[in-house]
Amino acid sequence: KAGVTQTPRYLIKTRGQQVTLSCSPISGHRSVSWYQQTPGQGLQFLFEYFSETQRNKGNFPGRFSGRQFSNSRSEMNVSTLELGDSALYLCASSLLGQQETQYFGPGTRLLVL
Amino acid sequence: DAKTTQPNSMESNEEEPVHLPCNHSTISGTDYIHWYRQLPSQGPEYVIHGLTSNVNNRMASLAIAEDRKSSTLILHRATLRDAAVYYCILRKLGSQGNLIFGKGTKLSVKP
Repeated sequence: KAGVTQTPRYLIKTRGQQVTLSCSPISGHRSVSWYQQTPGQGLQFLFEYFSETQRNKGNFPGRFSGRQFSNSRSEMNVSTLELGDSALYLCASSLLGQQETQYFGPGTRLLVL
Repeated sequence: DAKTTQPNSMESNEEEPVHLPCNHSTISGTDYIHWYRQLPSQGPEYVIHGLTSNVNNRMASLAIAEDRKSSTLILHRATLRDAAVYYCILRKLGSQGNLIFGKGTKLSVKP
């Protein structure tokens, strides 16, 4: 079974631009969660989608948004990029988003200049 | 979710056992103890989880104190590939979606 895939793997943007990151979960998984990882704040939860609906949301500004499609693929969007948005963005999928194991992708490394 | 406390870093020699401690003194009866690890330049990966009894799998063992206020992840024979940041996470029964990561323990393995 293929693992979680994220595209692109690396991205460079400038302040004020917007960016869209993509995540394809493991086949059959319906829950997709997004995390931001920075050296200062560590791994922080952004949001979780299940069956095309946002089910949980972390403490991030409204510039961070996401969506999930009927095939469970998910995208996250960051608008009006700031230097502090430079981070590794990780996507994780699980079957139903309950107690079971979360499987992480390799991440998208975003650099904002 | 209840808080966990782990040492910032630990060192081990290759092919020796490693015991990674985690304190969770405010754990509740419905909290499961999960361990994930993150190898360099990769996303986190699941290692093991348990509720009350000790658990073993092909990657590691999890020893849980009788009062459940602490646990220890045991790598029986550390290899260079085990060098990673190890996260101890509590998840409440029935909780949805997200994992709450702390700072974790950075394990270095010396050849």
